[in-house]
Amino acid sequence: GIQVEQSPPDLILQEGANSTLRCNFSDSVNNLQWFHQNPWGQLINLFYIPSGTKQNGRLSATTVATERYSLLYISSSQTTDSGVYFCAVEPADSGYALNFGKGTSLLVTP
Amino acid sequence: EAQVTQNPRYLITVTGKKLTVTCSQNMNHEYMSWYRQDPGLGLRQIYYSMNVEVTDKGDVPEGYKVSRKEKRNFPLILESPSPNQTSLYFCASSLSSGTLYGYTFGSGTRLTVV
Repeated sequence: GIQVEQSPPDLILQEGANSTLRCNFSDSVNNLQWFHQNPWGQLINLFYIPSGTKQNGRLSATTVATERYSLLYISSSQTTDSGVYFCAVEPADSGYALNFGKGTSLLVTP
Repeated sequence: EAQVTQNPRYLITVTGKKLTVTCSQNMNHEYMSWYRQDPGLGLRQIYYSMNVEVTDKGDVPEGYKVSRKEKRNFPLILESPSPNQTSLYFCASSLSSGTLYGYTFGSGTRLTVV
């Protein structure tokens, strides 16, 4: 099956710092999404981005489908950004399930 | 507000006592699915449904049942829960699958089986 690798696995930032999270995937995809899992366990959809670039406030994402990677940028981080960030992809040849990476655990300190 | 609603949010039950976790979406989505999340194993798909009366197994279907009698509802049934089904469960929906649409997830159901 498709492999989804996220890096770094853990990240500690001071409030106000910027960061880049990476997602590599091993095969062609129909769908790529970035999620934030907050400390209460909820999965919040950040971006649906199978290709191209999108921005939403302090967050932006870029997917280069031909090179099979996606980047999530967090600027001016806040303590509320803490949690786990997941990249999930839907393979182009079997579009019935999202395959999740192991996530990047982010802690933003005051 | 467009959303996927799961109930209950938290549930503690005993081994063997049948339970149902409900999932409802108000977006007229055709595609719905269930995932479970476990430490070290990540999120794995249990069952999915492409439309009313159409369901199929995901990666970890053993011990679970689902039904899709109405478009908006997709309940997850544990006929005889066991402790290894203690997990965080998510329901998700999408307008379609595999064709350029994103998934919306419910808030999760934390199940403990003792």
